[in-house]
Amino acid sequence: ETGVTQSPTHLIKTRGQQVTLRCSSQSGHNTVSWYQQALGQGPQFIFQYYREEENGRGNFPPRFSGLQFPNYSSELNVNALELDDSALYLCASSPGTSNNSPLHFGNGTRLTVT
Amino acid sequence: AQSVTQLGSHVSVSEGALVLLRCNYSSSVPPYLFWYVQYPNQGLQLLLKYTTGATLVKGINGFEAEFKKSETSFHLTKPSAHMSDAAEYFCAVTFNSGYSTLTFGKGTMLLVSP
Repeated sequence: ETGVTQSPTHLIKTRGQQVTLRCSSQSGHNTVSWYQQALGQGPQFIFQYYREEENGRGNFPPRFSGLQFPNYSSELNVNALELDDSALYLCASSPGTSNNSPLHFGNGTRLTVT
Repeated sequence: AQSVTQLGSHVSVSEGALVLLRCNYSSSVPPYLFWYVQYPNQGLQLLLKYTTGATLVKGINGFEAEFKKSETSFHLTKPSAHMSDAAEYFCAVTFNSGYSTLTFGKGTMLLVSP
């Protein structure tokens, strides 16, 4: 089975710009969650998408937004980039929204904001 | 609010020695607990999880963890460390919140010397 894939692997942007990160979920998984992992920290929950709708959100401002498509792939968009947005962005898919459903993570996109 | 504390940002062991990585959580309701491992430039891989039932949980690569409600702990152990175990380990907790979001600890880097 195909695992979670993310693109691009690395990205450099300038403060104030906008960025779109992409994620293909694992086969059979209909739920996608996004996490931000700053250097030296654990991942922090951004939001989750289920059946193309946002199903939960962490403590992130509205300039962090997302989409989920009918094939369950997903995008994370960040507007008005700030230096503190520099981090590894992880996408995780699961076969449902239950807490029993383990998350399967991609390798992440490393975003650097200069 | 739920939280996870991992004691020790770095743990060093010799190859063949016991591995013990500590995790404590705070919660007012029964938690679901997870351990993930992250190798350099990769996403997170699930090692093991506790949801209900037996409090001693066995995972992949010879790791196991024991849920101790009275101590609010979920420490990760492995009887004999291998060089390939060198990685960062994250403890995570979730609750029956309606969506499968995880709260992660800050991580413990395991260093294994020959």
